[in-house]
Amino acid sequence: NAGVTQTPKFQVLKTGQSMTLQCAQDMNHNSMYWYRQDPGMGLRLIYYSASEGTTDKGEVPNGYNVSRLNKREFSLRLESAAPSQTSVYFCASSESYNSPLHFGNGTRLTVT
Amino acid sequence: QKEVEQNSGPLSVPEGAIASLNCTYSDRGSQSFFWYRQYSGKSPELIMSIYSNGDKEDGRFTAQLNKASQYVSLLIRDSQPSDSATYLCAVRYTNAGKSTFGDGTTLTVKP
Repeated sequence: NAGVTQTPKFQVLKTGQSMTLQCAQDMNHNSMYWYRQDPGMGLRLIYYSASEGTTDKGEVPNGYNVSRLNKREFSLRLESAAPSQTSVYFCASSESYNSPLHFGNGTRLTVT
Repeated sequence: QKEVEQNSGPLSVPEGAIASLNCTYSDRGSQSFFWYRQYSGKSPELIMSIYSNGDKEDGRFTAQLNKASQYVSLLIRDSQPSDSATYLCAVRYTNAGKSTFGDGTTLTVKP
């Protein structure tokens, strides 16, 4: 099983550029999440989707948008990248709200 | 006050010792508690989940939950150098579709 697959693994953007981070899971999970992790810090929730067709803001949603395309896929879009968005981005999924998270391998994003 | 706080690290223990990692949380409505391990440059992976008061053991790992005192801990017995990693505590609140993470505690096990 692939589990949670994120693309790309690495990305360098210039300030003001846009991009979409892709995430897909093959575990038939209902809930999907986008987190960012800055050096020496824990994970901060950007957006989540408790079920197909719904999305909600997390702790740090500013500058991001999301789309739950179907039950498998949950994308994160940066419309106008800023250096403050330099981070490692993790997509995760869970079977239900009470279940543990399964993480993808992460995307290392650098904005110059 | 942060919603989830972990004991500040880094924590260093000799091989074979017991490592104790602690986590406190602010919301009494918290329902589910998780410990994740994260190796440097890798993604977090689940170590333990615990949902009710008391101890839960899995091999060398024991999670302890005390909802009255609002803390959850992870004990690692017979620590091995391969246990050297950052340990993240996560709390999921009642009927909320999201987990909140602490900043993590970095553990080093010295041979």
